[in-house]
Amino acid sequence: AQKITQTQPGMFVQEKEAVTLDCTYDTSDPSYGLFWYKQPSSGEMIFLIYQGSYDQQNATEGRYSLNFQKARKSANLVISASQLGDSAMYFCAMTLSGGYQKVTFGTGTKLQVIP
Amino acid sequence: GAVVSQHPSRVICKSGTSVKIECRSLDFQATTMFWYRQFPKQSLMLMATSNEGSKATYEQGVEKDKFLINHASLTLSTLTVTSAHPEDSSFYICSASSGGTGELFFGEGSRLTVL
Repeated sequence: AQKITQTQPGMFVQEKEAVTLDCTYDTSDPSYGLFWYKQPSSGEMIFLIYQGSYDQQNATEGRYSLNFQKARKSANLVISASQLGDSAMYFCAMTLSGGYQKVTFGTGTKLQVIP
Repeated sequence: GAVVSQHPSRVICKSGTSVKIECRSLDFQATTMFWYRQFPKQSLMLMATSNEGSKATYEQGVEKDKFLINHASLTLSTLTVTSAHPEDSSFYICSASSGGTGELFFGEGSRLTVL
């Protein structure tokens, strides 16, 4: 069975600074997908970024980048130039064998951006 | 981008009544949808996988008779909480995949409060 671990229950970052949210995963399946989602206080889950296990390059989406270190089984999210609107819960998640399968979520990291 | 809509966003009901939550993929067909439950300040826990035209697959510990799932069409899945009790109060979120990139899209969530 797959497992996602987020060891940072809460993080603070100064506005305009970069922040890294940690995520490690565990699976014996060679084919998997890694996701990051943002959940503001309103509750909706907002897709941020996706990394496939066979992707050679780290995924990037605007200010979001995923630092994928396959050997270490880590998939940290880097947010550059933090904005006040980035304050939210961030969940790391994994699927096996492509994107159609069920998603396993980490426990989340609450990020607070300080003005 | 692909949109998944949930309705209602908030519902309050009396103990013993049944509540139906709808999840619609608005601009794509979703053969598979997923239902999650999220307790306050916790992660999302997968309840069941909903497959169009067939019975849902429930996760261990989820009562099939309590949480009825119907995926009648490629754009609609419903979750019915039967004979709701206060302990069923929670945030319920659905998700669906549009295929291709493996990206999963989430509904806005439905907050159920059982009095």
